[in-house]
Amino acid sequence: SSEPTQDTAVSVALGQTVRITCQGDSLSNYDASWYQQKPGQAPVLVMYGKDNRPSGIPDRFSGSSSGNTASLTITGAQAEDEADYYCGSRDSNGHHFFGGGTKLTVL
Amino acid sequence: QVQLQESGPGLVKPSETLSLTCTVSGGSISSSYWSWIRQPPGKGLEWIGYIYYSGSTNYNPSLKSRVTISVDTSKRHFSLKLTAVTTADTAVYYCARRIAETGTGINWLDPWGQGTLVTVSS
Repeated sequence: SSEPTQDTAVSVALGQTVRITCQGDSLSNYDASWYQQKPGQAPVLVMYGKDNRPSGIPDRFSGSSSGNTASLTITGAQAEDEADYYCGSRDSNGHHFFGGGTKLTVL
Repeated sequence: QVQLQESGPGLVKPSETLSLTCTVSGGSISSSYWSWIRQPPGKGLEWIGYIYYSGSTNYNPSLKSRVTISVDTSKRHFSLKLTAVTTADTAVYYCARRIAETGTGINWLDPWGQGTLVTVSS
């Protein structure tokens, strides 16, 4: 399987809703995971499976999937959500892949 | 909760071997998978591989010929060795716990260490 594809950059007005997508063949078989990375920091898991939020992640973050596309939605984006977002997937051999990342700007 | 901390040299010469260790605290190293991921400056994430506490491994095919991941449960750490490094191996190296959900096959990485920058330069 090849690396999932993501939009390079997305912007959203403060308080509005934004969807970040990830597309790849592997996503037809395995649900994605999503990671938020702020400048100079390590990635943080924000979503896994279809729509599972780790403890401590605000409920404005939600996940979904359809066919070979996974989505991370932020409903009511906040300034602190500005970050790079990476989707993660795997293939049948257990090899892990990351999308190229989406830079989210909150206007 | 589980916390991870990478350690190792920040500078490695070309053609030499990069060696890093990730120490696990706040939880057991047993019954889990442990991963290495890297991120070149200004670029995206690249999965390197993972090891199960029992010692079985799985590597990124593009790095497999140069990578060895090992685990020492008695010392609560796992390690990465990358041989014959070049400047292309300059990156922040992260360790993370891989969680695999049986049945669905879903896996994810949580938590992550803070990362350590390794520069390959003479």
